[in-house]
Amino acid sequence: AQKVTQAQTEISVVEKEDVTLDCVYETRDTTYYLFWYKQPPSGELVFLIRRNSFDEQNEISGRYSWNFQKSTSSFNFTITASQVVDSAVYFCAASGSGNTGKLIFGQGTTLQVKP
Amino acid sequence: SQTIHQWPATLVQPVGSPLSLECTVEGTSNPNLYWYRQAAGRGLQLLFYSVGIGQISSEVPQNLSASRPQDRQFILSSKKLLLSDSGFYLCAWSVGWTGGTAGELFFGEGSRLTVL
Repeated sequence: AQKVTQAQTEISVVEKEDVTLDCVYETRDTTYYLFWYKQPPSGELVFLIRRNSFDEQNEISGRYSWNFQKSTSSFNFTITASQVVDSAVYFCAASGSGNTGKLIFGQGTTLQVKP
Repeated sequence: SQTIHQWPATLVQPVGSPLSLECTVEGTSNPNLYWYRQAAGRGLQLLFYSVGIGQISSEVPQNLSASRPQDRQFILSSKKLLLSDSGFYLCAWSVGWTGGTAGELFFGEGSRLTVL
C-alpha cells in the first residue's frame, strides 16, 4: 500500500529565506503519481503540481521548484525567497493503486513565514 | 469550467444527532468523487470514494456512510454522531482514471463539523 511521510511537522523561516519541504513515499506500483497541495488558513486545498513516476525531471514554477528522485523515493518541494503569503500547510500525496484515482496524503508540514 | 461546492460550511451538532453533508460538482461528467476528513492538526484521511452512481467504497470503518444518488452529487451521512466525528470534511473530485493516468483532485471549500 502507498504511504507518504512528511517528517517535518512545522517549519518557521524569515521572509526571503529559502525553505525545502521533504516528502518520502512508499509504493509497490511501477506507475504512480505524486502531488503537492497547499492549504492556506481558509482551509481549501490548492493543487500545486503532479508528477508521474516516469518523469524525474525537476520542475520550476516561479519561486517554487520540485526535486523528484526515485532512487531515494523522495519528492521535495523548495520555495525560494519565501514570502508571508506562503504561510500554509503543505501536503504531499501519492496516487493509490488501481483505477480509483484516490490519493494518499502525508500528514502535512505547517510553514510559517515571518516578516 | 468545473466547480465543486459543499455545504454547510460550518456545523455544530450534539452527540447522537444525524448528519448530512452535501457536495455537488458542475461542469464535468462521471467524475470520481471523494470524502476526506482532516482532524485537528492532522493529515487528510480518505473516508469514501465513488467511481460512479451508486458505487461507494469505504476506506475506514466508522460511524459514517456515503451515497451518490446522482452523477455529480455526493452525500456524507451519519445516523448518530460521535464526539470523534468532529473535524474538517473535504469533498473532492477528479477526472475518472483513463489510460492509466491519475488526475489531480480538486477540493471543495470544506465543512467544519463540531460535535458537542
